[in-house]
Order: sequence, then C-alpha cells, then structure tokens
Amino acid sequence: GEDVEQSLFLSVREGDSSVINCTYTDSSSTYLYWYKQEPGAGLQLLTYIFSNMDMKQDQRLTVLLNKKDKHLSLRIADTQTGDSAIYFCAESLNTGGFKTIFGAGTRLFVKA
Amino acid sequence: DTGVSQDPRHKITKRGQNVTFRCDPISEHNRLYWYRQTLGQGPEFLTYFQNEAQLEKSRLLSDRFSAERPKGSFSTLEIQRTEQGDSAMYLCATNVGLAGYEQYFGPGTRLTVT
Repeated sequence: GEDVEQSLFLSVREGDSSVINCTYTDSSSTYLYWYKQEPGAGLQLLTYIFSNMDMKQDQRLTVLLNKKDKHLSLRIADTQTGDSAIYFCAESLNTGGFKTIFGAGTRLFVKA
Repeated sequence: DTGVSQDPRHKITKRGQNVTFRCDPISEHNRLYWYRQTLGQGPEFLTYFQNEAQLEKSRLLSDRFSAERPKGSFSTLEIQRTEQGDSAMYLCATNVGLAGYEQYFGPGTRLTVT
C-alpha cells in the first residue's frame, strides 16, 4: 500500500540540530523528498534522494535513507527561527507518472 | 514564486453549486498534477496529465470531480454539486521530462463550501 507516516510536532532551540523522521511503505519508491511549507505559502522542495542512495548532504541539510527499514530522516544543522515551518516527507512511486504520496507533515517550532 | 499560477486564490461557494479552478503551468512542463490538502494533512494526489492525456485518477476523485487539459497547457478542475467536505486547498503542480523528480507547486486555490 501507499502510506507515509511522520511525527506531528518537533520543538528545538535555535542553534541545535533538528531531526525529522518518516517511514514509508511502498518498496517501489524511486525518489523520496522533503518539502517545506511556511504559513500562507506554497510547498517548496527542500531536497530529494534517489532510492539507491543512503545519504545526501546539502549545506545544512542531511538526508538519511534506510531502505531496508523504509525510514527517511532529515537533519537540519544549526536550526534557525526561519526554519520554523511544516516539513512534509513524500515518496514518488514508479508508476510512470511519478505520483507523489505525502505524509501529514511535521510542524517544527524553533525557540529563540 | 515557482512560475505555476492558480486562479482563483480563494473561492467561497454555497453547497450544491459548481466551481471551476484553473492552473497555468510553467510553459515547457508537460506533466501536470492536482492535489487536495485539508487542514493538518499533507497533499493528497487527485489526478495527473501528461500533455493533454489524463493518465491516472485517484479513487478520491468522485464522479463530481472532472479535470481537463485540452491543449496540454493550462488545466481546469471542476467540482459539481459541491459538498462541505470539498472544502480544502486545491494544489496544482507541474514538471517535465522522464525523471520528473521535482514538482513545482502553485500557490493553491482555497475552497470554502458553506
């Protein structure tokens, strides 16, 4: 089946690292993504990882993929107040159209 | 601004009325997706087009919903006989190419059915 699950809330202090976790069910996923949504704004792709990779680093962002456990994580180093947003984990299925299945989102609160 | 535009941005309608939303993609993007997002949830896939062909529809898309992309450019999503449960943000996303790993999302149309 197609399901993506993630915890609903995370609160961190400014300057700390944030780790947002996600599990997915479809083993045929080809791409896994992290999107960011700020209040009143559209969805913004933060980063993505191919399913044959274990890790991807992009400036303050590190994505780890454990394909065996179908577990994806996003680490944000030196978290800033501007990182406060909802973070969606998503997977694209290899169905030709790359239909994307999203989790319910993790709301990140960054305390100054 | 991703370059994907949606119109209108907000729509308030009475139950039972028909509504139509429009999405204008980035010009060279051949794939176009419609999603619905309700409060506290992530976007749910509704349907997608490759050029003018509608290639997949979610079982969420009841027969009151219809989408078109007549010339492979802009797309419309129509909801007939709206119900209060249709209240949501309707998102359009587009991309291009065989891989198509990044979808560019529009700002959405927020529908409120009273």
